[in-house]
Amino acid sequence: QQKVQQSPESLIVPEGGMASLNCTSSDRNVDYFWWYRQHSGKSPKMLMSIFSNGEKEEGRFTVHLNKASLHTSLHIRDSQPSDSALYLCAASDYNQGKLIFGQGTKLSIKP
Amino acid sequence: EAAVTQSPRNKVAVTGGKVTLSCNQTNNHNNMYWYRQDTGHGLRLIHYSYGAGSTEKGDIPDGYKASRPSQENFSLILELATPSQTSVYFCASGAGTGGERLFFGHGTKLSVL
Repeated sequence: QQKVQQSPESLIVPEGGMASLNCTSSDRNVDYFWWYRQHSGKSPKMLMSIFSNGEKEEGRFTVHLNKASLHTSLHIRDSQPSDSALYLCAASDYNQGKLIFGQGTKLSIKP
Repeated sequence: EAAVTQSPRNKVAVTGGKVTLSCNQTNNHNNMYWYRQDTGHGLRLIHYSYGAGSTEKGDIPDGYKASRPSQENFSLILELATPSQTSVYFCASGAGTGGERLFFGHGTKLSVL
């Protein structure tokens, strides 16, 4: 069982719609959560990070974190075809620093 | 943006052969990582390093060795390649703090026949 679990595995959202992705860690030592985006054939690139309880917004992207349940979610509003990609959630703890990734959510935006 | 360069970009190897994947970063980052990516598994950590001369085992180290001869270079070595090691391998670097952002190379596609 992976320490970082993402859901759903895949998601189809109409253009202009809202996409919601979930991620939970089973390792209670984690302090930081990350969201990376990977377009087909490319390398992962950091999208957003969140370290404190609550919400963080950057443009069309909003990330939530509940540290008690070790759950984070990523919401994309007004989804665009360019948002179609694999979204990877990762968690790390302060002492070790290494990032452990989930299996990813494949997001497809349908025009 | 931080630069991480991997070589080769594509590699075909024979079962039982030795394979070396190379990674170079020019950002003076302390930490470097090797991940493999397979469908349904996301990115899985193989080996990582906190600086020159150090290597640590990740979650799936069996069948792999790593070498960090300098701050800039980090290699992944498959002494006896097997078909199950067919995958896309990504190298990444990070500054070295707990909340570090990782910068990835473009990946190496390895096929073991």
